[in-house]
Amino acid sequence: GESVGLHLPTLSVQEGDNSIINCAYSNSASDYFIWYKQESGKGPQFIIDIRSNMDKRQGQRVTVLLNKTVKHLSLQIAATQPGDSAVYFCADPIRETSGSRLTFGEGTQLTVNP
Amino acid sequence: SAVISQKPSRDICQRGTSLTIQCQVDSQVTMMFWYRQQPGQSLTLIATANQGSEATYESGFVIDKFPISRPNLTFSTLTVSNMSPEDSSIYLCSAFGTEDTDTQYFGPGTRLTVL
Repeated sequence: GESVGLHLPTLSVQEGDNSIINCAYSNSASDYFIWYKQESGKGPQFIIDIRSNMDKRQGQRVTVLLNKTVKHLSLQIAATQPGDSAVYFCADPIRETSGSRLTFGEGTQLTVNP
Repeated sequence: SAVISQKPSRDICQRGTSLTIQCQVDSQVTMMFWYRQQPGQSLTLIATANQGSEATYESGFVIDKFPISRPNLTFSTLTVSNMSPEDSSIYLCSAFGTEDTDTQYFGPGTRLTVL
């Protein structure tokens, strides 16, 4: 079946370092991916998205890379800050006649050490 | 985007009781979604709520346990019925952005503890 999974459940980095969070997907027909950030006690917050006609998309301090050949995407956070500590999810909308519904990966807990 | 609020933000309930969670969106949306997030886990879709029709439930979730209302295009409720400690979770509602029908935006969640 379809799945969106993450390689590592936890990631610990030093403040100022760059962080890379990985995600694998299984549905080769997937054409849109979203990264969410969930801080403790809050709902998931949209960070950045990417469509399959792109290999890379940049936001503010974040970059998402998509490798369709190996069905892998990554979220890179530059100059990681303590406020980046959160769980990060990749999500893949599954399109149905009634609309899209999201399939979430397991999540990666990012901890930024001062 | 869409701004979504939920009430209550958290609650502690006794087993056997029911809790109704409210979700309000700042714009009219066709579809609203309810998710459950058990401790330390990812999000699992409970059901999709469309205005004017019955909610569509995912496998493992039934209407008797999680009745949903969708009285208008900006509001929905989820009731967790006859609660047990296994229902202790965060319950989240979401909706698509008004300009992007692929991106879902989430409310802050309702943290439920059942004793």
